[in-house]
Amino acid sequence: EVQLVQSGAEVKKPGESLKISCKGSKYNFRSLWIGWVRQRPGKGLEWMGIIYPGDSDTKYNPAFQGQVTISADKSISTAYLQWNSLKASDTAMYYCATQLPPYSGYDQWGQGTLVTVS
Amino acid sequence: DIEMTQFPLSLPVTPGEPASISCRSSQNLLHTNGNNYLDWYLHKPGQSPQLLIYLGSDRASGVPDRFSGSGSGTNFTLKISRVEAEDVGVYYCMQGLQIPQTFGQGTKLEI
Repeated sequence: EVQLVQSGAEVKKPGESLKISCKGSKYNFRSLWIGWVRQRPGKGLEWMGIIYPGDSDTKYNPAFQGQVTISADKSISTAYLQWNSLKASDTAMYYCATQLPPYSGYDQWGQGTLVTVS
Repeated sequence: DIEMTQFPLSLPVTPGEPASISCRSSQNLLHTNGNNYLDWYLHKPGQSPQLLIYLGSDRASGVPDRFSGSGSGTNFTLKISRVEAEDVGVYYCMQGLQIPQTFGQGTKLEI
């Protein structure tokens, strides 16, 4: 199974940029889909988007399209979630998770990255 | 977007008793390949979500057999045959058929 390790908590000001990471431990990272999920304080889970590091095929939730950028570097088994201009409403816990083709649900999750914008 | 509706939103249970959570989708989740693209996740306090059930009824690796998923099309159910104290948390259904994938609102199970 893939172990996912996410980058540490961040405290940022509105308008600042940020890139958080999700590093996989297994050699076949490029053969998995990596999804990003947001959880705002006291709220439920929201699906943001997904990337296939093998060919960088990326699919976004329209609610997040243009607000974030999902990318990956398969050479170092790492996926990224990036903001160019943070808002207070981006304050949340962000999780990455793997989905093995053809489909098996999100079977492995990172520990989460807490982003605070204030 | 496919809307996922769970009920109940709060579920008080007694250890040793069964529990059931329902999930309804606004569109058919049954693919032409015969699979229902519906997952169940448990989000325990202070932990990352964990996969319980995928494709409607397939139990994920390491998940106790007291958890089972059923249903097809637009109506799905997660059943816990005998609730244990460690099962507390928020349960989410999620559809994986269509982009954007979407979660239900969550059902908080408490002892």
